[in-house]
Amino acid sequence: AQTVTQSQPEMSVQEAETVTLSCTYDTSENNYYLFWYKQPPSRQMILVIRQEAYKQQNATENRFSVNFQKAAKSFSLKISDSQLGDTAMYFCAFMRISGGYNKLIFGAGTRLAVHP
Amino acid sequence: DGGITQSPKYLFRKEGQNVTLSCEQNLNHDAMYWYRQDPGQGLRLIYYSQIVNDFQKGDIAEGYSVSREKKESFPLTVTSAQKNPTAFYLCASSPVRQGNTEAFFGQGTRLTVV
Repeated sequence: AQTVTQSQPEMSVQEAETVTLSCTYDTSENNYYLFWYKQPPSRQMILVIRQEAYKQQNATENRFSVNFQKAAKSFSLKISDSQLGDTAMYFCAFMRISGGYNKLIFGAGTRLAVHP
Repeated sequence: DGGITQSPKYLFRKEGQNVTLSCEQNLNHDAMYWYRQDPGQGLRLIYYSQIVNDFQKGDIAEGYSVSREKKESFPLTVTSAQKNPTAFYLCASSPVRQGNTEAFFGQGTRLTVV
């Protein structure tokens, strides 16, 4: 069975600084996707960034980038130039795409607070 | 506008009653999911479905049931067998093809047992 682990329940960062959120996962699959989702106080889930396991290049989306280490099964999220609007829960997620079923599972989340 | 709609936003249930949470999507997605979120915890998978008339149990399926009679709809029934149903429930959908697997989420339903 697949599992996703986020070892940092809470993080804080000063505005304009950089912060890295950690995520590790466990799977025997070779074909999968990894995601970071953001959940602000409104509780709406918003996709931040996506990484295909077969791609070696790390994904980037503006101020957000990942460090994908497939052999180590690690998928960390770096937020550069943090903004107050980045304050939210961040969830790491894994999607298996083999065997005909796209099972999507989440980690426990990291609560990020950005301070002025 | 394409999207995924959950209703109602708030739901109150008396102990011993079954209640059904609605989830509808017009994104033409094949896969749909139900998650439960408790305070301070992540999203735990209840059920997921890849195609019409087929669905799979997730990690916490006990006390819940689902149906997938139409591609657009994936209702979740919280039965009286679910001993602690008070939680926030999220429905999601996604395409099923390589290269485009982003999951879209509804606004959620907060269920409270009274």
